[in-house]
Amino acid sequence: QEQLVESGGGMVQPGGSFRLSCVGSGFHFSGNTFHWFRQPPGKGLEWVAFLWYDGTMNSYADSLRGRFVVSRDNDKKTVFLEASGVRPDDSAVYYCATNIITQACNLWGPGTTIAVSS
Amino acid sequence: DTVMTQSPATLSASPGERVTLSCRASESVGTGVAWYVQKFGQSPKLLIYGASARAPGVPARFRGSVSGTDFTLTITSLQSEDSAIYYCQQYNNWPPITFGQGTRLDVK
Repeated sequence: QEQLVESGGGMVQPGGSFRLSCVGSGFHFSGNTFHWFRQPPGKGLEWVAFLWYDGTMNSYADSLRGRFVVSRDNDKKTVFLEASGVRPDDSAVYYCATNIITQACNLWGPGTTIAVSS
Repeated sequence: DTVMTQSPATLSASPGERVTLSCRASESVGTGVAWYVQKFGQSPKLLIYGASARAPGVPARFRGSVSGTDFTLTITSLQSEDSAIYYCQQYNNWPPITFGQGTRLDVK
């Protein structure tokens, strides 16, 4: 069964950093590209970043470029999202997602929550 | 960036009825539009991609259509479990991928 599971959420102080992981199983991990999305409390969905198959061609939301970095380890079937200089408006549920057969993301993890607060 | 505008913001309907959710793109996005449903506390679930193709396992009650830059999700034979927030997403002109603000559907 195809599955994605995020981890690494928690409370972070303003100006601090966090690193999220997303482990995939049940599908050909290295043959997939991935996205990170986020959803602030009570708000809509926002695209964060995209990871190419080997991590060489990634892209970011303009407002996050320079503070957020994505990477992947295909041997460990894991994608990562690292953020630095975090702000309260980075508080959100962070999801990793990929597409299997469909053009759009049809496999999402359950999400992991980041709360930025002092 | 391509702006996706959904309407209405909220919608109420009764079981068995049919509803239409709308999403307008600020520029041409071809058929690169998906519809997601998100229930409280859950991650989004893909319903429609390519404007009109149902994702695997999605019932035929859910139908997507397009006319120019106007996209529609029609849900027939409403069930109480259809109560959720529905988002449209464009992935044609990216980065960035952009979402509509969502339509909250209440079936009761």
